[in-house]
Amino acid sequence: DIQLTQSPSFLSASVGDRVTITCRASQGLSIYLAWYQQKPGKAPTLLIYSASTLQTGVPSRFSASGSGTDYTLTISSLQPDDFATYYCQQLNTYPLTFGGGTKVEIK
Amino acid sequence: QVQLVESGGGVVQPGASLKLSCAASGFTFTTFTIYWVRQAPGKGLEWLTFISHDGRNKYFADSVKGRFTISRDNSKATVFLQMDGLRPDDTALYYCARTHYASPRYGMDVWGQGTMVTVS
Repeated sequence: DIQLTQSPSFLSASVGDRVTITCRASQGLSIYLAWYQQKPGKAPTLLIYSASTLQTGVPSRFSASGSGTDYTLTISSLQPDDFATYYCQQLNTYPLTFGGGTKVEIK
Repeated sequence: QVQLVESGGGVVQPGASLKLSCAASGFTFTTFTIYWVRQAPGKGLEWLTFISHDGRNKYFADSVKGRFTISRDNSKATVFLQMDGLRPDDTALYYCARTHYASPRYGMDVWGQGTMVTVS
C-alpha cells in the first residue's frame, strides 16, 4: 500500500500568513493526488485534484504542486474560513489512502 | 441538488452486523463510482472500499476485507455497505462519497454527511 506522510501534523498561523503543507508518498503517484479540507463536524470537501488543479469554486488563494513522491498545498494568505484540517489522498493505486492530516489553527 | 445521504448507523455489540445505505440524488447515479470512507473519533480519514458504476468492480482496504461487502441498486440510486463481524475499532463516522464527475482519478467531489457506527 502507498503511505502518505503529511507535515506538519499541526500548525498555528495568523490571518494573512502564507501556509504550506507537504505530503510525501512512499512511491510515485503520477500526479494522482488530491487535497481536501475538513472543518469540525463536517464532511471533507475537495480542494485540489491531479496535484495542482483547483476544484470548481475553490478560492484562488489555494494552490498546489508536485509530482512523483512530493506534493505541497499552499494557502497564499490565510483567511478565517481556512482554519481546518487538510488531508492529501492518493488515487494512483488501490487501496486509495489518505495522509494523516494537518490541522491549521489560529495563532 | 446533488447529494448523498447515509443511513443505518447505530450502536451494536462486538461481532454484530450492520448495513449502511447511501442514497443518491440530483445526478446520474448509474455513471458514478461510489466510495466509503470512515473517520474514527478524533482521527483521520480512512478509505475503505469502492464499487464501480455497474457494480462489477470492487476493492477493499485490508482492515475490512472479508468482513465488509459493498453492493448497489441502481434502480434505487443506493449503495449498501454490509458490515459483519464488527469490532470496537470499527467505531467511526462512515461517509459515502462520489467519484469526481470528470475522472475517478480526480478524487471525491461529493460527500454525504456521514452515519455513526459505535461498536461497544
